[in-house]
Amino acid sequence: QQPVQSPQAVILREGEDAVINCSSSKALYSVHWYRQKHGEAPVFLMILLKGGEQKGHEKISASFNEKKQQSSLYLTASQLSYSGTYFCGTDDTGTASKLTFGTGTRLQVTL
Amino acid sequence: KAGVTQTPRYLIKTRGQQVTLSCSPISGHRSVSWYQQTPGQGLQFLFEYFSETQRNKGNFPGRFSGRQFSNSRSEMNVSTLELGDSALYLCASSLGTGVSYTFGSGTRLTVV
Repeated sequence: QQPVQSPQAVILREGEDAVINCSSSKALYSVHWYRQKHGEAPVFLMILLKGGEQKGHEKISASFNEKKQQSSLYLTASQLSYSGTYFCGTDDTGTASKLTFGTGTRLQVTL
Repeated sequence: KAGVTQTPRYLIKTRGQQVTLSCSPISGHRSVSWYQQTPGQGLQFLFEYFSETQRNKGNFPGRFSGRQFSNSRSEMNVSTLELGDSALYLCASSLGTGVSYTFGSGTRLTVV
């Protein structure tokens, strides 16, 4: 069963913040976040591990609530380059050899 | 460092035919995964190989098969193509377990 992402789509002005949520009905070992721009391959952003700390780099960070099986991706002071579709991929096997991806959140940043 | 290479980039096939897609992972990466991406279903896991062994398989019919060679290159085969098989097929490689995946640009398969 696919994790549920919300919102499905969001439009931001440059400099605004956004939060993308990912919720699973299964117990998770890790959550992976990827961004895909139109016509391009998905690009890795970060991994959140069970028992691990909140991760982040520059203005993109994420958290993982193990009790609720939820992860959130935080984008602060958004830039035009942040536009794309964000996917969370969940690992419920502990091996990360199989990721189940959400249906994606389409983010558009405008001037 | 070369990325993940998928060939061909585009493919048009007729219903009933079979097709083979190829994926060359990043040098040193031993894990190769395949995903099907469609507008309606998103990214769906097909299978994952590590050191020539299939470790995991998604919920796809037996018409979908794959293999991995000793040099970690992988192929995916779809037999008796159906219209619903039209999709972008993505290959992703990683060093191993629990680390990030690097995706290739995909093969766009159109079945007519």
